[in-house]
Amino acid sequence: AQSVAQPEDQVNVAEGNPLTVKCTYSVSGNPYLFWYVQYPNRGLQFLLKYITGDNLVKGSYGFEAEFNKSQTSFHLKKPSALVSDSALYFCAVRSGNTGKLIFGQGTTLQVKP
Amino acid sequence: EAQVTQNPRYLITVTGKKLTVTCSQNMNHEYMSWYRQDPGLGLRQIYYSMNVEVTDKGDVPEGYKVSRKEKRNFPLILESPSPNQTSLYFCASRTDLATYEQYFGPGTRLTVT
Repeated sequence: AQSVAQPEDQVNVAEGNPLTVKCTYSVSGNPYLFWYVQYPNRGLQFLLKYITGDNLVKGSYGFEAEFNKSQTSFHLKKPSALVSDSALYFCAVRSGNTGKLIFGQGTTLQVKP
Repeated sequence: EAQVTQNPRYLITVTGKKLTVTCSQNMNHEYMSWYRQDPGLGLRQIYYSMNVEVTDKGDVPEGYKVSRKEKRNFPLILESPSPNQTSLYFCASRTDLATYEQYFGPGTRLTVT
């Protein structure tokens, strides 16, 4: 069965420091991977995706993610965190022929001034 | 503005009282779906629709119904709500099955007492 795991419930980072939000996946076949962000009282917003090609994917708001096939990981990164990056982040993998997204449990990112 | 709208945003109801949560998108998308979000579980798909009059079950369809009579609307119906359906619900849409990016509505927080 396809699955996604986000091992950290919360990540705390000081503003200006680099951040990493971890994600590992388990899929059969080639993975289609995504990151979404959810701000308080808002729906999810698409950040970036990996379908094929370069292992380093760049997305919105200065975020990027690194696909590592051998470690089955797709960690979200940003070189310099902002307080406004504080939000709930979800990793997801596309499953099967129905287009369904399977989400991780979410990681709360807290960026402190 | 391209968007997915949901109504109501907040709803408190009692066990057994039928309710409908509406979802509408103005992007002419073929594919629409409903998710529920619960702490520690991420988002789980309830139902999806690949086009008008085509709907199918997701991972947690029990206790829910949907219909897709028009392309823009995809209401979620709870015929006899129960407390275990207390959750945060999101409607999502995308152009079609082949498209990767999904657009999410703002969410409906439902409490069933």
